[in-house]
Amino acid sequence: SAVISQKPSRDICQRGTSLTIQCQVDSQVTMMFWYRQQPGQSLTLIATANQGSEATYESGFVIDKFPISRPNLTFSTLTVSNMSPEDSSIYLCSVPIQSGAFFGQGTRLTVV
Amino acid sequence: QKEVEQDPGPLSVPEGAIVSLNCTYSNSAFQYFMWYRQYSRKGPELLMYTYSSGNKEDGRFTAQVDKSSKYISLFIRDSQPSDSATYLCAMSLLNTGTASKLTFGTGTRLQVTL
Repeated sequence: SAVISQKPSRDICQRGTSLTIQCQVDSQVTMMFWYRQQPGQSLTLIATANQGSEATYESGFVIDKFPISRPNLTFSTLTVSNMSPEDSSIYLCSVPIQSGAFFGQGTRLTVV
Repeated sequence: QKEVEQDPGPLSVPEGAIVSLNCTYSNSAFQYFMWYRQYSRKGPELLMYTYSSGNKEDGRFTAQVDKSSKYISLFIRDSQPSDSATYLCAMSLLNTGTASKLTFGTGTRLQVTL
């Protein structure tokens, strides 16, 4: 198993600003995923964070809007840039395992 | 059409009832199927993981996969108020240990009443 600590747990931000979400894992992992969970929507993969290389983004998500860092095998950050109310969502980091995936507790972001 | 369809509920059942949660999917290439439980203001927690068609049982939980019908189910026996949560189905093309992307349903909100 893996313990994933994510912070902040929630935040209210002004439009036009940026928020950086941190994800810390208690063991070294090769891949980390970032998901978005909008109200009434399914979890949607934003990008895969690889240590030592650029993140891989899914269709509809771009690096300028969601820059990701992965400085080592236990830590990653996701930044939501130039926020608008449409970015209000829960953001989750995830670690894949042999039989599924572990998730952090999520960051609930409200943009006003 | 969404790749994975799941009735959002809410589904309300009395304590002790058998709960049936279901998902349908369109991509016949999915091979690995999961069920997650998500309590309010928490991250998803893995409940069941199955490969291909068949049944898997773990305590009060049984997962069924029918690949011919592209239909998966989660049954909860002797439901408890503590089972009240949102249940998400998820699936992947490859073994998740290879960091295969997960495709999720929207989740079904379950309420077990006393």
